[in-house]
Formats: sequence, structure tokens, C-alpha cells
Amino acid sequence: GESVGLHLPTLSVQEGDNSIINCAYSNSASDYFIWYKQESGKGPQFIIDIRSNMDKRQGQRVTVLLNKTVKHLSLQIAATQPGDSAVYFCAENGGPFLNQGGKLIFGQGTELSVKP
Amino acid sequence: EAGVAQSPRYKIIEKRQSVAFWCNPISGHATLYWYQQILGQGPKLLIQFQNNGVVDDSQLPKDRFSAERLKGVDSTLKIQPAKLEDSAVYLCASSPGYSGTFEQYFGPGTRLTVT
Repeated sequence: GESVGLHLPTLSVQEGDNSIINCAYSNSASDYFIWYKQESGKGPQFIIDIRSNMDKRQGQRVTVLLNKTVKHLSLQIAATQPGDSAVYFCAENGGPFLNQGGKLIFGQGTELSVKP
Repeated sequence: EAGVAQSPRYKIIEKRQSVAFWCNPISGHATLYWYQQILGQGPKLLIQFQNNGVVDDSQLPKDRFSAERLKGVDSTLKIQPAKLEDSAVYLCASSPGYSGTFEQYFGPGTRLTVT
């Protein structure tokens, strides 16, 4: 069925290091992917998105990579800071962009812990 | 601009009682979503509104959950009667509703504990 999963439930990194958070998706019809950050007690916050016609997209200190061949998505955070500590979710739209009406299917999440 | 507002932030009820959550989306956003987030999991879509019409409620347990968005602005989600497994954070999100982005803006959520 439709699902988005993450390889690692927790990730611990040293402040200043780069972080890589991975995500596997199962629906080959998905053509839009998005990463959210969720801090404790708050709602998810948009980080970056990517369409399936791209394999890489960069934002401020973040890069998303998409490998459609193996249905894999990753989020790279450069120079990780203590404020990056949160749970990170990937989500997919589960089908063709124009048909899905904005629906998102979320994965389980990876908890990122940044050590000072 | 003001974000998505939700109330209450916390609610504790006993099983078989009723509860209602309120959401006010970002002004002008046509699409509104209700999600259930169980501890340690990602949000799961319960229902999606486009203006005041339901787009998707396939994962809404309709025997106990109901939602409405009568005037196409704010929305309420109700659970009646509640079960222990309904303990979760209920998130409301909104989006502009035009094609081009799926970015959804989330509220802080309502944490429900059913005892």
C-alpha cells in the first residue's frame, strides 16, 4: 500500500557536522515530496520540497536529493546547529500531482539530536 | 501573517465522553486538513476540505468522528464517543489551494488524552 518509511528512527550528530536523514517511499506514482521539521509541542514546519522532475534541490543549509530509481529521498543539513534538533518527516503525495488535491502521506519520522 | 490557530491546546477526557477541537486557518486559505498524530508516528490525514466541501475523508472513522467547515473558514472536529486509542495530537493545517505547491501550514495541535 501507500507508505513512506525512514531508515533510521534516531540520528545523533555533533554540532557543526553535516546531517543526512533518509527516507524510502513505496508509491512509484508519487511525483512530489516534502520535508517537514517538528519541534516538541509544535506543529510540523515546512523545510523544502522537490518534484519528481528534479533530483536535487537546495535551500538555506538544506539539500534534498531524490533517487526515483530506488525510491529514496534524503535531507542533508549542512553545519548542523542545536536548533536543528527535532523530528524530521518526509511526505509524498501518493500520486500524480494534479490528481491528488494536495494530499500528503507522512513517514514515521527521524529524531535528530545535535550535541554541542 | 497570523498562523493556523487551534484550541484547546490540551484536553483530558474519559473514554465514552465527547470532545471537540477548533481550527482557524490562515486567512484566504481554501484548503483545510485535519490530521491525527499518534506519539512516535507521522501525521495521518483524517479529512480534507476545499472551501466548505469535503475532498477526502477516507481515513476518518465516521462512526465516531465528524468534522465540518460550514462557512469555508474555520472548522471543528468532533469525537463522540472517545476511545482510549484516540489519544493523540490532532493537527490542523491549511494551504492556499492552488496548484503548484503542496506546502501545508500547520497549527500547534491539540493534545488529547483519553483515560
